[in-house]
Amino acid sequence: SQQGEEDPQALSIQEGENATMNCSYKTSINNLQWYRQNSGRGLVHLILIRSNEREKHSGRLRVTLDTSKKSSSLLITASRAADTASYFCATVFYNQGGKLIFGQGTELSVKP
Amino acid sequence: DAGVIQSPRHEVTEMGQEVTLRCKPISGHNSLFWYRQTMMRGLELLIYFNNNVPIDDSGMPEDRFSAKMPNASFSTLKIQPSEPRDSAVYFCASSPGLEPGAFFGQGTRLTVV
Repeated sequence: SQQGEEDPQALSIQEGENATMNCSYKTSINNLQWYRQNSGRGLVHLILIRSNEREKHSGRLRVTLDTSKKSSSLLITASRAADTASYFCATVFYNQGGKLIFGQGTELSVKP
Repeated sequence: DAGVIQSPRHEVTEMGQEVTLRCKPISGHNSLFWYRQTMMRGLELLIYFNNNVPIDDSGMPEDRFSAKMPNASFSTLKIQPSEPRDSAVYFCASSPGLEPGAFFGQGTRLTVV
């Protein structure tokens, strides 16, 4: 069964606006990762946040993690049309040999 | 490095036929994952290997599915016999360990008619 659930399922914004996607998960994790998938392509790793971290930045990306609420958010600032893609969160379980489970994803559309 | 290489990119086969999907992970990566992606079920983990050993195959849907990793540079996912409901995009991914993350191949789009 899926571990993570993303919210919203779809998001449409204008270029320049910020996009926020949320991910909730069910069990304790070791780290949480965000990936991007362009239509018809494989997933690309964006950023990883460990369970003992609360916030992480990479360029226009900001990820937060709240282990007490079992949730994470991905913020893309100053969005561009090229950011249009599906975004997935994935949870990793070290005690299961690094099992990597993905959520259902958020489909982001950035209109120029 | 060329990244994770999957073959074929597209496969169309008739129901009942055997299908073999292939994956070459990134050199030096010791974890390999097979996923299936459909609109209805999203991205499902089928099986993963650490150091060529299957760790968890609980996601393999039925006995018709099998996966092998005979060495560190090659893995196969076999479906025998194939059924129309197996139609999906199958992804292989490899990882150097618990961090930093997985690297995906371009996928194999399987259509069973």
